[in-house]
Parts: sequence; structure tokens; C-alpha cells
Amino acid sequence: EAQVTQNPRYLITVTGKKLTVTCSQNMNHEYMSWYRQDPGLGLRQIYYSMNVEVTDKGDVPEGYKVSRKEKRNFPLILESPSPNQTSLYFCASTRGTGLGEQYFGPGTRLTVT
Amino acid sequence: QKEVEQDPGPLSVPEGAIVSLNCTYSNSAFQYFMWYRQYSRKGPELLMYTYSSGNKEDGRFTAQVDKSSKYISLFIRDSQPSDSATYLCAMSDRGGGSEKLVFGKGTKLTVNP
Repeated sequence: EAQVTQNPRYLITVTGKKLTVTCSQNMNHEYMSWYRQDPGLGLRQIYYSMNVEVTDKGDVPEGYKVSRKEKRNFPLILESPSPNQTSLYFCASTRGTGLGEQYFGPGTRLTVT
Repeated sequence: QKEVEQDPGPLSVPEGAIVSLNCTYSNSAFQYFMWYRQYSRKGPELLMYTYSSGNKEDGRFTAQVDKSSKYISLFIRDSQPSDSATYLCAMSDRGGGSEKLVFGKGTKLTVNP
């Protein structure tokens, strides 16, 4: 089954404790992306990657890091999480340039206290 | 002015109604326009995808793009309770090698039986 998986699905952590949210897709897609979704602000792109070792900033990259060492994986790293990073995070992947159908993961709900 | 504006609703209609959802945008370089549907506690899923101006129809759904007015619409005919979801518009310009996607905040739709 074609899918995007994210782990963990739910995470409660404390300010400053480094964390990684993993994202993996089994569709051999080139384009992967991370979004955060907040009430009243909608879905905002954090980082995207057009292929292995190629990443670029989206609209809200501050406080986040990503890496793309393998085509299937695109982890999101919060080196020093802060409460304003409490949000619902989605990973997505698309074949090709990213402007076709994006397959979204199930979401990771992160709470930083 | 935000790049993409979308009325958040909520919008409540009776079953069978025609629903009109709209977004306006300010970036004249946008060429690719998408509509996503997001059910509660799920990731968004692509509904419609159009390039440049014009109409596109898929079953009960019609997407319209008017680049001269910087205005896009999604029409849902014969709406069903299963159409109850949040609808997100998204767009991209692909300019300068960028593959950023910008989303509207989403409109929450409820179709009442």
C-alpha cells in the first residue's frame, strides 16, 4: 500500500530537549515536504526537498532542521524545541516536482511545555 | 496582504445544495492551483489540480481559475454529508526553481442531512 508514515503520532516534550520526527514514504517519490498546521494560520510549509541531498526552506523554517540522505526518508529535527512549536505536523511526498498529487502522512501532534 | 486569502467559514448547507468555495491571491506568478480536502484528524488529500486559467470538472466538483482577477473557486454540486470537511486551496509559482506551496487557511464545510 502506497503511504507516508510518520513517527511518533503524538509527542509531549519539554523546552530545549532535542527531538526528531521521522517521515518515510514507500512510493519512490522525489519531492518531500514538512508542514505545520495551526488554528487560524492554516497549513504552512517548513522545509521541502526536491531530491536526495537537496533541501530548501519553506515559509516557516526557523527552529527546524531537515536532512535527506535517502530518498524514502525526510526527518524533521527540532534542536531546541520551544512552546511556540506546539503544533500538528504533516509530512508529504509527491512524484516529480511536487506540484502533482501530494500524499500526506497521518500527522504528528507535538506539545512542547 | 497575505499571499493567499480564504474565508475560514464555517459554512453550513443542506444536503443537495451547491457549494462555492473561494480563494484570492496576490502573487501574479502563481500558475498551479490545487484544492485539498481534509477530514477531521486526517492529512489533506488532493481533490483538484489545475494549471493557469480555466475550468476543470471531476464528477460533482468543478475548479475555476481566473488569473486576471487572482481568484479561484471550487464548486461542489449535489453536496453530500460525506463532503463535510475542511477545504484548502493551495498554489505555487515554480519561479526560480522554487517549489514552495502556499496554502489558504481552509474553509470548514458542514453538509446537513
